[in-house]
Amino acid sequence: EVQLVESGGGLVQPGGSLRLSCAASGFTFSSYEMNWVRQAPGKGLEWVSYISSSGSTIYYADSVKGRFTISRDNAKNSLYLQMNSLRAEDTAVYYCATGGEMATNWGQGTLVTVSS
Amino acid sequence: EIVLTQSPATLSLSPGERATLSCRASQSVSSYLAWYQQKPGQAPRLLIYDASNRATGIPARFSGSGSGTDFTLTISSLEPEDFAVYYCQQRSNWQWTFGQGTKVEIK
Repeated sequence: EVQLVESGGGLVQPGGSLRLSCAASGFTFSSYEMNWVRQAPGKGLEWVSYISSSGSTIYYADSVKGRFTISRDNAKNSLYLQMNSLRAEDTAVYYCATGGEMATNWGQGTLVTVSS
Repeated sequence: EIVLTQSPATLSLSPGERATLSCRASQSVSSYLAWYQQKPGQAPRLLIYDASNRATGIPARFSGSGSGTDFTLTISSLEPEDFAVYYCQQRSNWQWTFGQGTKVEIK
């Protein structure tokens, strides 16, 4: 069974940093494209970033470009999102999700709150 | 960026009724459109991909249709567990965009 478990969320001040992790199991992680998607409280879904299976291709939404960095460690079956220069509008539940064309599997999400 | 517009924003129906949800793209996405269901406090779940293919384990009462710019998700007969928010999604130029969602609520 595919399982994705996010961690690393929490309360951070504006301008601060946070690193999210997504632990994958139940499938061959190194063969799968991965994404981060976020959802602000009471709002819709927003794609954040994509990384290819090897990590060689990466894309970001304009809203996070230059501030967030996606990476993966295939030996550890893990996906990461380094978030710097955080803003109040980055407050959201962050989900990791498998897939290139669409999100086939989702984690349960981790809440990031940016507030002073 | 391709914008997806879903309608209606809210659909009030009774169990057993048919639900028809619309998703319109600002430019053609061919058949590269997916639908998701999200219940409160839960992650979204993939229902339909490539406009009309049901994902693994999705009941046959869910069906998708359309191509180009106009797409429809149909739930043939609503079950109590189907009351949720539904999102459409497309990928172009390696960017995913989502519609704003349609809430299917109990009438």
